[in-house]
Amino acid sequence: DAGVIQSPRHEVTEMGQEVTLRCKPISGHNSLFWYRQTMMRGLELLIYFNNNVPIDDSGMPEDRFSAKMPNASFSTLKIQPSEPRDSAVYFCASSLAGGKHTDTQYFGPGTRLTVL
Amino acid sequence: AQTVTQSQPEMSVQEAETVTLSCTYDTSESDYYLFWYKQPPSRQMILVIRQEAYKQQNATENRFSVNFQKAAKSFSLKISDSQLGDAAMYFCAYTGGFKTIFGAGTRLFVKA
Repeated sequence: DAGVIQSPRHEVTEMGQEVTLRCKPISGHNSLFWYRQTMMRGLELLIYFNNNVPIDDSGMPEDRFSAKMPNASFSTLKIQPSEPRDSAVYFCASSLAGGKHTDTQYFGPGTRLTVL
Repeated sequence: AQTVTQSQPEMSVQEAETVTLSCTYDTSESDYYLFWYKQPPSRQMILVIRQEAYKQQNATENRFSVNFQKAAKSFSLKISDSQLGDAAMYFCAYTGGFKTIFGAGTRLFVKA
């Protein structure tokens, strides 16, 4: 079975540009997570979807960040406008179980974002 | 609020020896899951082991085992017969109360 698929794997952009990161969860999984990883802040949960509905977006840094899950097989994380401090590795993960506590999360390979 | 603390930023172990990585957490939930993930230099996050809070028996996966102390809110990972391929960043994680929280990580070095 294919794992979680993320694209692009690397993105280099200039400050002020819009960036869209994409994720395809494992088929049949009903929970999806977006994380950001930096040296300074570690691994932070940005947003959590269950059955395509955002359950917890308290980790989204500010209004420049938005995430959507139009269907069970696709999600996007958008940054507009991007800033150098957004440079990080962004992970998408999916899980079979959702709700109050989720079971094992399977991670994608991550997207390394560099904002110049 | 739930928290996860890994107090050891770095650990070192000799090949074939045993090492224990510490993790403590805080929660008011009674039902939750705990995990250890490994992140090698490739940065891929790989599940090492999981523990359901309602299970008293400690989880074991080959050379990896946990010491789960629910009352003390402690969840340590023991790696036996350490191998060079075990060198990585290890993260302790908690899910419960609609929250997922990762610890800051422990970097494990394995000496040949």
